[in-house]
Amino acid sequence: DVKVTQSSRYLVKRTGEKVFLECVQDMDHENMFWYRQDPGLGLRLIYFSYDVKMKEKGDIPEGYSVSREKKERFSLILESASTNQTSMYLCASSLWARGRRTEAFFGQGTRLTVV
Amino acid sequence: AQKVTQAQTEISVVEKEDVTLDCVYETRDTTYYLFWYKQPPSGELVFLIRRNSFDEQNEISGRYSWNFQKSTSSFNFTITASQVVDSAVYFCALSEYTDGGAQKLVFGQGTRLTINP
Repeated sequence: DVKVTQSSRYLVKRTGEKVFLECVQDMDHENMFWYRQDPGLGLRLIYFSYDVKMKEKGDIPEGYSVSREKKERFSLILESASTNQTSMYLCASSLWARGRRTEAFFGQGTRLTVV
Repeated sequence: AQKVTQAQTEISVVEKEDVTLDCVYETRDTTYYLFWYKQPPSGELVFLIRRNSFDEQNEISGRYSWNFQKSTSSFNFTITASQVVDSAVYFCALSEYTDGGAQKLVFGQGTRLTINP
């Protein structure tokens, strides 16, 4: 079974802190994603990566950055956390299959509260 | 731009009733994939089905069935004889290629389904 593991289930951080959310997958997937989930808004893509050191902005990248130094690990960084970044963060991975889409596998989510 | 709309924010039914979750999408691609995911209270999204744009056959898996109609850009999900364990948030999603050739998923807003005993 594909396993996508997020380092924390719950986090509480203070405004202005630098926050790291870590995600690891064990299936050698090329693609990795960070989504944010808010009530009534569904899942919105923050950043994604299709290869080591490669990244693309999603729909809401402001206030976030990412790092992918190794294929299995994709980190989301909040440079200076703000209260409007309180949310559920979901990491996902999928195979790169040109001409064929494959499903994404998700981690259990990190519920981040910024106070 | 690609867009997925799940107009039903919340649905509540009594156990054993049939329930249909609607999904309407917009895309400029001629080849695309559609997905349904289930998010139980534990939080992890669980993949249910993938359907490509060339395959309009309906699919049935146990109590679950999916109706893909390209003419109306819809990909609806029906649960027959619903059970309390079906209570979850359900997301419809559409694949999209970026300018750089990478693929990503665009999600709808989700439908919270509650099955009451």
